[in-house]
Amino acid sequence: DVKVTQSSRYLVKRTGEKVFLECVQDMDHENMFWYRQDPGLGLRLIYFSYDVKMKEKGDIPEGYSVSREKKERFSLILESASTNQTSMYLCASSPWTGAGRTGELFFGEGSRLTVL
Amino acid sequence: GENVEQHPSTLSVQEGDSAVIKCTYSDSASNYFPWYKQELGKRPQLIIDIRSNVGEKKDQRIAVTLNKTAKHFSLHITETQPEDSAVYFCAASSGGGNKLTFGTGTQLKVEL
Repeated sequence: DVKVTQSSRYLVKRTGEKVFLECVQDMDHENMFWYRQDPGLGLRLIYFSYDVKMKEKGDIPEGYSVSREKKERFSLILESASTNQTSMYLCASSPWTGAGRTGELFFGEGSRLTVL
Repeated sequence: GENVEQHPSTLSVQEGDSAVIKCTYSDSASNYFPWYKQELGKRPQLIIDIRSNVGEKKDQRIAVTLNKTAKHFSLHITETQPEDSAVYFCAASSGGGNKLTFGTGTQLKVEL
């Protein structure tokens, strides 16, 4: 079974704090993603990565950065947390399935972040 | 970029009835259309997907149809059961970079 593990299920931070959300997958997947989930807005892509040290902006990258130093680990960083970043953050991974083909996303259980 | 619209946002059906959720997409280059189910407090999981070279795909009580000309696709659940109650998300991808764009979700409630 594919396992995608997010380090923290619940976090409470203060405005202006730096926040790290960690994600690890154990299936040697090439692709990793960070989404945020908000009621009525669905899942919105923040950043994704095809390979180690590679990253690409998703639809809502403002206020976030990412790091992928190892294939199995993809970190989401909030340099200076703000209240509008209170949300559920979902990490996902998927295998490379060939050029032009998208594979199944395997999600972690999510990290619920509250910024006060 | 891709834009995916999903309707309805909530859907309530009686057990045994059918449920239909509809999505439209904007990017004609999109060629992969998965559906994810998220039960309360759990992670989203893939339940069925379709690629642009087919018009319909079935897996037991669930089916997905795709109309590329109209740029819409639908999820059909027959003989609904209480365990079908969940939030369902449609998504679309152009395949370039494995980037999926999700719809806003449909809360399905199956009532006894």
